This record gives sequence, structure tokens and C-alpha cells, in this order.
Amino acid sequence: SAVISQKPSRDICQRGTSLTIQCQVDSQVTMMFWYRQQPGQSLTLIATANQGSEATYESGFVIDKFPISRPNLTFSTLTVSNMSPEDSSIYLCSVTGAGNTIYFGEGSWLTVV
Amino acid sequence: QQQVKQSPQSLIVQKGGISIINCAYENTAFDYFPWYQQFPGKGPALLIAIRPDVSEKKEGRFTISFNKSAKQFSLHIMDSQPGDSATYFCAALSMNTGFQKLVFGTGTRLLVSP
Repeated sequence: SAVISQKPSRDICQRGTSLTIQCQVDSQVTMMFWYRQQPGQSLTLIATANQGSEATYESGFVIDKFPISRPNLTFSTLTVSNMSPEDSSIYLCSVTGAGNTIYFGEGSWLTVV
Repeated sequence: QQQVKQSPQSLIVQKGGISIINCAYENTAFDYFPWYQQFPGKGPALLIAIRPDVSEKKEGRFTISFNKSAKQFSLHIMDSQPGDSATYFCAALSMNTGFQKLVFGTGTRLLVSP
């Protein structure tokens, strides 16, 4: 299985600021994804992080709000821009590992005050 | 068509009992159906998964039953233990499209009472 490390694991942020979340995988992977899980809710895909090109965003998510980088096959970042309390969520990095199994990191728990 | 419907929303089972969580889907292109287990403060962990060419898959106390014609699949937890208390998510994706986007159910919060 792929080992996924996310930083920060938890943060409290001021309204109007931006925060960048890092995702590091212990092996090269083709597919990397970013999900959001709002309190008590299910997981929603934000975007697919494409290596060497722009991320592919799902409906309701835009690059200006959630810019994503993917400089290589083991690393990606997600920035949550101009945060509001509604952005308080768990942000999860996900990768496709061997056998096309999809794994998740432990998540980055953001609280916006 | 991209939805996966999951029930029940919450479930209380006595220790030693059987926990059953059900999911249904519409998109016949889905060909991979994983279940994830999430403990408070943790990310989702893959529990067990099934492909539609089999009707059942068992791993230890966890069994997935799959009914292709009804487009339904379910998770059975046998001999449920307090340590199984967690939120369970079913999911589905179409691997053949080459764009592996998981669609999640709404989650079931399971509590196994001692």
C-alpha cells in the first residue's frame, strides 16, 4: 500500500488568509486527488492533480479558490485561498496505488475562525 | 447517475451481532466497489473491495455481497466488536474510463455496544 503524509495535520486559520497543504507519497503514483470532507459529511472530490499540467477541477470547485500544484509523481499541494468559516473541513489527499487501489492520507483538519 | 445511495445513516449493534450496511448505484459503468472505514480523527482506510464479476467477497469478519442486476451491494460485519465502531463509506468508480474518480455514499455511523 502507498504511504501518504499530509502536512499540516491540523491548523486554525484566520478568515481571509490562505493555507497550503502538502501531500507526500512514498512511491511514484500516476493519479493523485484532493478531497474535502465537511464536518459529519461524506467525501467530495475537489480535483485531480495532474503531473505537468493544470489540475482538473470538479463542478463547484475553481482554481482561484483551490490552486493545486503537482511538480512530480510523489508530491502535490492544495492551497485553500481567502478562507471563510465555510472552508472548515478535512482536506484529504488520495492516490491510486498498486492494483488500482485508492488510498487516503490522514487528512488536514482546518478550522477557520 | 453518479450517486451512490447508502443506508442506514446510523446503526447500533450489540457486541457479537451482525452489522449490515447497504448501498445502491445507478451508473452501470461502475466496476469497482470499495468500502472505507473511518475512525474519528483519521482518514478513510480501505477495508474491502469487490468487482462485479463476483457476487461475494469475504475477508475475515467482513463480507461484501454484490447484486449486479439490482445494482446493489452491502457490507456485512460478522461478530461485531466495539472496536468496529466507526463511520463506513461505500464507494464506486469506473476503472475502465481511465479516470478513477471515486463516488462516495453518505456514510453510516456504526456503534457496537459492549
